[in-house]
Parts: sequence; C-alpha cells; structure tokens
Amino acid sequence: DTGVSQNPRHKITKRGQNVTFRCDPISEHNRLYWYRQTLGQGPEFLTYFQNEAQLEKSRLLSDRFSAERPKGSFSTLEIQRTEQGDSAMYLCASSRPGLRINEQFFGPGTRLTVL
Amino acid sequence: AQSVAQPEDQVNVAEGNPLTVKCTYSVSGNPYLFWYVQYPNRGLQFLLKYITGDNLVKGSYGFEAEFNKSQTSFHLKKPSALVSDSALYFCAVYDGATNKLIFGTGTLLAVQP
Repeated sequence: DTGVSQNPRHKITKRGQNVTFRCDPISEHNRLYWYRQTLGQGPEFLTYFQNEAQLEKSRLLSDRFSAERPKGSFSTLEIQRTEQGDSAMYLCASSRPGLRINEQFFGPGTRLTVL
Repeated sequence: AQSVAQPEDQVNVAEGNPLTVKCTYSVSGNPYLFWYVQYPNRGLQFLLKYITGDNLVKGSYGFEAEFNKSQTSFHLKKPSALVSDSALYFCAVYDGATNKLIFGTGTLLAVQP
C-alpha cells in the first residue's frame, strides 16, 4: 500500500475565496470518504463515494461544499466562499470493496485556515 | 442513532504500566466498533476492530480491546505502555446505513518515562 495521499497538506486562504483539495485513495479501494476534524473533536463525516457515485452526504455539507470523484479514482473537495468556521483539518479515507465491514485508511489530511 | 463516548479527555500512565482507554457505545442493532490512533501532524491509523466473534480483539502495536455487551463498552488496553504510545486515541462505531464511521471525542494518552 502506498497509502492515501492528500494535497495540499496546508492551505491558508482569505474569507470569501474558493479552495479545492485533492485526495488519492489506495489504488484498489473503491470506497472514498471525506471527514472534517476541528480542534478537540473527533472526525465528522462529510460525504461518501462508491466508485464515482456519491452515495451519502452529511447535513454538515452546506451548499458551499461540493465533492467529486469523476473517474472513480481521485476525489476533490471544493469549498466556495470560505468562512472562518470552515477552518479545520479535512481528512480523506478509503476502504476496500466487498461485503465485509472493512477498516477505513486515512490520509494525512489538509489543514485549512481561513483568515 | 449510533454513538460512542470517551469519558476521559486524558489518561496518564507510567511507562511499563498497563493502560486502559475507555469507550462506551450506543447502537441500534449489532455494534461494529473500531479504535484509531492519531499522532501529531499525521492521519488516523487503524488499530483494531470488533465485528463479531471473540470479545477480546487483538490489534496493532500490542494493543487489544475487550468488547463487553452487557456494559456496552469497548475499552482499549495494552499490558505495558511505551512512551511512543503517547498519542490521541479515537473510538468509532460503523453506521451501516450510511457507511460512515462515527467517532468519539478522543482521549489523549500521555505515557511518562
């Protein structure tokens, strides 16, 4: 496993700007997840893809957030018109296909700071 | 609704002593439970999971967890703590309806030399 990779690792932006993060899952994993983690809290689920289909979205995901996984491989998470409350660590995870409940493997995260 | 609770924000233990990090769960249906560890500036690393079967689950780095249905608990344990075990530990429950993990608030483990 080369592991889940995320880019950039850090992003500082001004309020109102748009940002986009990228996640590359482990190659044979068809399931991909985005979570958000704020200081002192556990990760909170944002959205889930199986291959290219976005199957689940959290109510946390406002209209300013959009995620894509166009070819069932890498995924992008875009935040439009960023707000200071968007400052957090954005984590991507992937898991193997199959009927078993497989563990999710997490990337190192992208830390977003909105000034 | 599925949830987990980690009642301790921090656990302090001396190197070489046994450690326990507590987790209780609330689920409808069968519980599918996980432990992850997070080191500074790194992503979460999977330690172990309970899906079914033996109540004592063995995982990575010498950690194990005991599933207790009557107490709705899934405590993480290690017989002899290392300074390098110092990190943030998260308990999580799998929500089958949405395929997501629901995490607790985390417990900071500090192992003193």
